[in-house]
Amino acid sequence: KAGVTQTPRYLIKTRGQQVTLSCSPISGHRSVSWYQQTPGQGLQFLFEYFSETQRNKGNFPGRFSGRQFSNSRSEMNVSTLELGDSALYLCASSWPRTGTRREKLFFGSGTQLSVL
Amino acid sequence: LAKTTQPISMDSYEGQEVNITCSHNNIATNDYITWYQQFPSQGPRFIIQGYKTKVTNEVASLFIPADRKSSTLSLPRVSLSDTAVYYCLVDGGSQGNLIFGKGTKLSVKP
Repeated sequence: KAGVTQTPRYLIKTRGQQVTLSCSPISGHRSVSWYQQTPGQGLQFLFEYFSETQRNKGNFPGRFSGRQFSNSRSEMNVSTLELGDSALYLCASSWPRTGTRREKLFFGSGTQLSVL
Repeated sequence: LAKTTQPISMDSYEGQEVNITCSHNNIATNDYITWYQQFPSQGPRFIIQGYKTKVTNEVASLFIPADRKSSTLSLPRVSLSDTAVYYCLVDGGSQGNLIFGKGTKLSVKP
């Protein structure tokens, strides 16, 4: 089975621009979650999607948004980029996190975003 | 929301047992604890998961006391290839967010 695929692998943008990152989950996985990883803050949860609906959202400003398509692929968008948005953005897919079940998260290798 | 706290770094030598503890004082009844391993330039990888008491698999053990306010990942007989960052995750399931600790950088020396 192919793993989680994130594109692009690297991205350089300037302040004020916007960016869209893409995530293709493992076949059959319907939950996709996104994370921001920085040296100082570690892994911070951005949001989670299941069946094209955002189910949970972390503590990030509205400039960070996402969506999920019917094939479970997901995109996240950051508008009006700031220097502090420079980070590794990771997505993870899993079987749906339902009720009492806790499914393993399978991570992609991430998109390294640099904001100049 | 649960907040997790882990040591920033730990050093060990090959062949030793390593224990990494994560504190999660505000853990909720429905939360599970999961540990992930991350190598440079890669996404985290699942190691082990538990709810209470002890769980063991082929690579690690996870100890969770009765009050569930902490958890300890135990890596038996570490090797150089275990040098990585280890994250604990408090997972609230479909009703909650995914709260990662800031990670513990484990360095294994020969």
